[in-house]
Amino acid sequence: KAGVTQTPRYLIKTRGQQVTLSCSPISGHRSVSWYQQTPGQGLQFLFEYFSETQRNKGNFPGRFSGRQFSNSRSEMNVSTLELGDSALYLCASSLAAGVRLGTQYFGPGTRLTVL
Amino acid sequence: AQTVTQSQPEMSVQEAETVTLSCTYDTSESDYYLFWYKQPPSRQMILVIRQEAYKQQNATENRFSVNFQKAAKSFSLKISDSQLGDAAMYFCAYRSNSGGSNYKLTFGKGTLLTVNP
Repeated sequence: KAGVTQTPRYLIKTRGQQVTLSCSPISGHRSVSWYQQTPGQGLQFLFEYFSETQRNKGNFPGRFSGRQFSNSRSEMNVSTLELGDSALYLCASSLAAGVRLGTQYFGPGTRLTVL
Repeated sequence: AQTVTQSQPEMSVQEAETVTLSCTYDTSESDYYLFWYKQPPSRQMILVIRQEAYKQQNATENRFSVNFQKAAKSFSLKISDSQLGDAAMYFCAYRSNSGGSNYKLTFGKGTLLTVNP
């Protein structure tokens, strides 16, 4: 069974631009979570989607948004990029959500560099 | 809010030896999961082992085992017969399993493990 895939793997943008990252979960998984990883802040939760609905959101500004499609694929969007948005963005998928969330399996990440 | 603390930023071990990575956490909940994830230089986060808080028995996966002390809120990872491929950043993570909670993973800052040949 194929793992979690994320595209693109690397991205370079300039301040003020916007970016869209994509995540395809493991086949059959319906929950997708996004995390930001930086050297200073470590791993921080962005949001979680299940059945096309955002179930939880982390403490990030409104410039960070996401959505999930009927096939469980998810995208996250960052508008008006800032230098501090440079990070590794990780997507994780799991079978269900809530108390039945189970184990989350991670993709390889998208490395975003903002110049 | 739950917090996870990994007090060892870096550890090293000789190949074939045993090493223990420490993790403590703070929570007022009784139902939760604890995880160890491994992140090698390729940056892919890989699940190493999982422990359910209501299970008394410590989880084991081949050369990896945990020492889960619920009262002490401690969750250490023991790697036996260390191999060069074990070199990575190891993250301890907590996830609530209580109804109505945010089921996000809360991570520690990580421990960088070096394996010396």
